[in-house]
Amino acid sequence: TQLLEQSPQFLSIQEGENLTVYCNSSSVFSSLQWYRQEPGEGPVLLVTVVTGGEVKKLKRLTFQFGDARKDSSLHITAAQPGDTGLYLCAGEADSGYALNFGKGTSLLVTP
Amino acid sequence: GAGVSQSPRYKVAKRGQDVALRCDPISGHVSLFWYQQALGQGPEFLTYFQNEAQLDKSGLPSDRFFAERPEGSVSTLKIQRTQQEDSAVYLCASSLATLNTEAFFGQGTRLTVV
Repeated sequence: TQLLEQSPQFLSIQEGENLTVYCNSSSVFSSLQWYRQEPGEGPVLLVTVVTGGEVKKLKRLTFQFGDARKDSSLHITAAQPGDTGLYLCAGEADSGYALNFGKGTSLLVTP
Repeated sequence: GAGVSQSPRYKVAKRGQDVALRCDPISGHVSLFWYQQALGQGPEFLTYFQNEAQLDKSGLPSDRFFAERPEGSVSTLKIQRTQQEDSAVYLCASSLATLNTEAFFGQGTRLTVV
């Protein structure tokens, strides 16, 4: 099983601060996905990174895929209360069908 | 509908009761996935369908769990003789093709076994 470890598990910050969350594995992935999940909702895809070293930006969110395709990071600039949620990384499972998810980083941004 | 629809949204079952959870995927989506999400955890894969074929059921935790998608559209996840450890949110996702296309998740069914 290809395990994905996310850190930190919990993060509470004030509006306007920057933060980075990490997703690490000992396995190589062909791609990694980042999702955000709000309470009572299903995960929603934010981005897919495919190429080692790739950097993708989505407004104030910057995603990076490690050169060796074993890890990824999500950086949020000037966090806002609307960024509050559970951030999940996911990679392709051995079966090739499904996704293996990390346990997530629960982010709380207070005004 | 526009998205993946799951019903019921909430289910309380007495220990030992059988439950059935329904998933209506996005029309035309070939792939359908079921995941289990315990409180404070990420989703864990249960099973995968490609049209009506169940290609992977390796994540089903026991033989009390059974899933079907008889006509390649609506899917039902059935749990027999529910136990307290079955309490979780059950998420369904569908995608247009296989893994490398975006999967869309439903809101989930929160199952509480008392």
